[in-house]
Amino acid sequence: QQPVQSPQAVILREGEDAVINCSSSKALYSVHWYRQKHGEAPVFLMILLKGGEQKGHDKISASFNEKKQQSSLYLTASQLSYSGTYFCGTEWGGGADGLTFGKGTHLIIQP
Amino acid sequence: KAGVTQTPRYLIKTRGQQVTLSCSPISGHRSVSWYQQTPGQGLQFLFEYFSETQRNKGNFPGRFSGRQFSNSRSEMNVSTLELGDSALYLCASSLEGTSNQPQHFGDGTRLSIL
Repeated sequence: QQPVQSPQAVILREGEDAVINCSSSKALYSVHWYRQKHGEAPVFLMILLKGGEQKGHDKISASFNEKKQQSSLYLTASQLSYSGTYFCGTEWGGGADGLTFGKGTHLIIQP
Repeated sequence: KAGVTQTPRYLIKTRGQQVTLSCSPISGHRSVSWYQQTPGQGLQFLFEYFSETQRNKGNFPGRFSGRQFSNSRSEMNVSTLELGDSALYLCASSLEGTSNQPQHFGDGTRLSIL
């Protein structure tokens, strides 16, 4: 089953903060976050591993709540360049079954 | 370092035909994964290849197949094309696989079925 992302879309002014959530119905092994701009390839942002280790971007932070099987991506003081579609990709079990992506959150940053 | 290269960028086919898409991973990466992206379903995992072996497979019919060569380049084949196969097909490479590894995506092949 696909993880569920919320919100589906959000419009912000430059400098405002955004939170994007990713929820799974199955026990998570890790969560990946990617950003895709229109007409471009998805770009890796961050991996969060079960147990708390985090690998990735130093300007964007994220959390991984194992109890709730949920991850949240935090974009603080958003810039125009943050606009795009954000995808979470989840791994379950031991992480050997590939990535399952959510349907994405569309983020628009306005000046 | 060159990124992931997918060819061709665009393809137009008709129903019933078959198509082969190509993906050259980043040098040194041994894992290649394929995804189908559509507006309605988002990014859906097709399969992953590592060291010339299919390691994982998503929930797609047998018309979708792939292979990986000894230089880690990968091809994806779709036979008996259907209208619903119209999509952006993305490949992603990584050092060892999808587990705990950043995926580096190519720009994709946009396939249109008439």
